[in-house]
Amino acid sequence: SNSVKQTGQITVSEGASVTMNCTYTSTGYPTLFWYVEYPSKPLQLLQRETMENSKNFGGGNIKDKNSPIVKYSVQVSDSAVYYCLLGCSGANSKLTFGKGITLSVRP
Amino acid sequence: NAGVTQTPKFQVLKTGQSMTLQCAQDMNHNSMYWYRQDPGMGLRLIYYSASEGTTDKGEVPNGYNVSRLNKREFSLRLESAAPSQTSVYFCASSEGRSSVFALYGYTFGSGTRLTVV
Repeated sequence: SNSVKQTGQITVSEGASVTMNCTYTSTGYPTLFWYVEYPSKPLQLLQRETMENSKNFGGGNIKDKNSPIVKYSVQVSDSAVYYCLLGCSGANSKLTFGKGITLSVRP
Repeated sequence: NAGVTQTPKFQVLKTGQSMTLQCAQDMNHNSMYWYRQDPGMGLRLIYYSASEGTTDKGEVPNGYNVSRLNKREFSLRLESAAPSQTSVYFCASSEGRSSVFALYGYTFGSGTRLTVV
């Protein structure tokens, strides 16, 4: 089965770098998306990782079942909920949402 | 601005009332989706439409109906609202006709916050 695991909440100080992890299991060919949700705004696409464009984002890699997103020198305005989405193509194409990571940035 | 437009943004219903949530996209996308977002649950798919004229159930379809009116519009109807349907509802669209999974991602609307009392 397909599943996505994200840690629930991260609090950091302004100027810090933060890595938000997304680990997954899948039965098909995976694509990982990261979306950010700001209050009263549409979810926005931040990052898309596939087996073809796979990179080591913050030490993780989709081929290793881990597709993190890294934000450098965060600002208070980066406080939001960050969602990881797993899409799997194949006979049983499916999209699975993670439960989201709430990032809080202190001034 | 190109994108996905949802109306209304907020709504309060009494148990048993009906209403329709509207969604329209102007990007000429083929596929459209309705999700609900609940605390601790992430987003869950209610219904989707891979192309004009087709609709399919998602993960949590009970208590909802949908209509793909044309390529632009995809509405979600609650026939008899229940408190369990209190949620934030998101509409999304994507290119392609690939059922549930959009290879290049989704464009989301701003959401409709629905409260059923």
